[in-house]
Amino acid sequence: EDQVTQSPEALRLQEGESSSLNCSYTVSGLRGLFWYRQDPGKGPEFLFTLYSAGEEKEKERLKATLTKKESFLHITAPKPEDSATYLCAVQAASTGNQFYFGTGTSLTVIP
Amino acid sequence: GAVVSQHPSWVICKSGTSVKIECRSLDFQATTMFWYRQFPKQSLMLMATSNEGSKATYEQGVEKDKFLINHASLTLSTLTVTSAHPEDSSFYICSARSLAGMEDTQYFGPGTRLTVL
Repeated sequence: EDQVTQSPEALRLQEGESSSLNCSYTVSGLRGLFWYRQDPGKGPEFLFTLYSAGEEKEKERLKATLTKKESFLHITAPKPEDSATYLCAVQAASTGNQFYFGTGTSLTVIP
Repeated sequence: GAVVSQHPSWVICKSGTSVKIECRSLDFQATTMFWYRQFPKQSLMLMATSNEGSKATYEQGVEKDKFLINHASLTLSTLTVTSAHPEDSSFYICSARSLAGMEDTQYFGPGTRLTVL
């Protein structure tokens, strides 16, 4: 059965304290893994797409990496404005156009 | 680029009435649009997938006669919640996808907060 699991469920960091969020997946024929940021009361904002193991992408303080079983979203020296829920989603050969979403990691960065 | 809008951003209606939510891709053509529902502090729940000019495909457990989806053009999809009841109150989010020269992903609208009294 296809599954996407994110951990931790919630994370509190001091400003400047780097950390990583995890997205583990078990799907057949991964086509893409996607990271989104969602602020309260808003739609998800696209961050990254990763297609194959070993791929990495960066944007400001965020860096996403991918292995055959999981993806990490590394946050370097976070700022309070990085506080949000981070969602990962996977698309697989078995899901066609659909994305399977994880339940998200709620990140709070304390000044 | 890749902007998706939704209208209205919030709506309050009486039980038994119908509500229409519009989803537009503003600067690209969306071959596929998706409708999601999200409850507080939960992830996105896919309701249906629609392709322009064809009938929507609904997920298991989603009543197609209650949640009417129309994808009349490559830039517009609508979700109509018919005979709304308080349990339909939720945050509805649409997304659009295009494979034409863009990052291959879903681009989300800002969401519509529906409250049924």
